[in-house]
Amino acid sequence: DVKVTQSSRYLVKRTGEKVFLECVQDMDHENMFWYRQDPGLGLRLIYFSYDVKMKEKGDIPEGYSVSREKKERFSLILESASTNQTSMYLCASSSRALDGYTFGSGTRLTVV
Amino acid sequence: KNEVEQSPQNLTAQEGEFITINCSYSVGISALHWLQQHPGGGIVSLFMLSSGKKKHGRLIATINIQEKHSSLHITASHPRDSAVYICAVRAGSYQLTFGKGTKLSVIP
Repeated sequence: DVKVTQSSRYLVKRTGEKVFLECVQDMDHENMFWYRQDPGLGLRLIYFSYDVKMKEKGDIPEGYSVSREKKERFSLILESASTNQTSMYLCASSSRALDGYTFGSGTRLTVV
Repeated sequence: KNEVEQSPQNLTAQEGEFITINCSYSVGISALHWLQQHPGGGIVSLFMLSSGKKKHGRLIATINIQEKHSSLHITASHPRDSAVYICAVRAGSYQLTFGKGTKLSVIP
């Protein structure tokens, strides 16, 4: 069964900490995405990557960075976590043809 | 930028009822997705449409490109269909634009 795996389901971090959210896919997909989901706002794109070492900003990149050193892994980094980054984070991947998306189970991050 | 509107926001149905969820968008698209999110967070892709109609089990999705409108139908609804259903559109780039979702509760 094809999968997008996010390393943690629940995470609690302190303000100012550096936070790494990891995402791994086993489908050999070129495209990978990081979204955050907040009540009343829906899903919003933070960053996406269309190839190894390639990345583009989405709608809300401020306060975040990403890393894609290998095709199967896409990491989201919060350089200095803040309480307004408390959210559900979802990773997704798709083929280059964009003919389907597979989502991870999500990481619920709480910053205290 | 594409605006995606879903209706209704919340829907409560009795088991066995026929359910319709609607999605409208403002700009021409290359594809529309229907997604399902159960409590706990994980999202499952149900359909991808660029024209016409698709069916999978009790779920049917239709799209009218001229009217910029799509519907998701569930026949013979069941409590396990309770979830948030999300419409998302792609207008030629990598990026999906998401609706805010429709929360469906099916009561036994």
